Amino acid sequence: AQSVTQLGSHVSVSEGALVLLRCNYSSSVPPYLFWYVQYPNQGLQLLLKYTTGATLVKGINGFEAEFKKSETSFHLTKPSAHMSDAAEYFCAVHSYNPGGKLIFGQGTELSVKP
Amino acid sequence: GAVVSQHPSRVICKSGTSVKIECRSLDFQATTMFWYRQFPKQSLMLMATSNEGSKATYEQGVEKDKFLINHASLTLSTLTVTSAHPEDSSFYICSARVGSSTDTQYFGPGTRLTVL
Repeated sequence: AQSVTQLGSHVSVSEGALVLLRCNYSSSVPPYLFWYVQYPNQGLQLLLKYTTGATLVKGINGFEAEFKKSETSFHLTKPSAHMSDAAEYFCAVHSYNPGGKLIFGQGTELSVKP
Repeated sequence: GAVVSQHPSRVICKSGTSVKIECRSLDFQATTMFWYRQFPKQSLMLMATSNEGSKATYEQGVEKDKFLINHASLTLSTLTVTSAHPEDSSFYICSARVGSSTDTQYFGPGTRLTVL
């Protein structure tokens, strides 16, 4: 079975600072991993995904994530935070059960201080 | 591309009435659609998986007679909350997937249901 753990339910950074949102996964098979962002009262928007191949994945809005099998991690980073990055971020792993549902982490709320 | 819409975006209803929420894939055909429920400050809880032309598969603990799901076409799935009660008030989000189980899910904007 697959699972996802996001460390830190709330992260606060200053504008221009590095953003680091942590995600660790558990999977007995090669995982497909995703990061989604949710703005208040909206649905989820795909930031990036890892399937196979290059372990450093670049997404939209300047975000990227690195798949590290040895650490079972898929942390999300952005070099310089912008006020508009303030949102809820969800890490998810694809579940290899019939139907292929996503298993979500509990989410991390990112606040950006001016 | 890969746009998913939901209608309505917000609905308020009286206790005991039924409410239908539509989920549409606007620019692709979705073989599979998913319905989620999200409580404030919490993650998404999968309610059911819906495949076009077949019965939905409900997650454990979700009442299929209360949350009726219909996936009538490759671009439309509906969730009907029957005999709604205040505890059904929540944010409902759908997602749609193009093809295989490993393809990306694209999410709708969500529907805020408030039951008085």
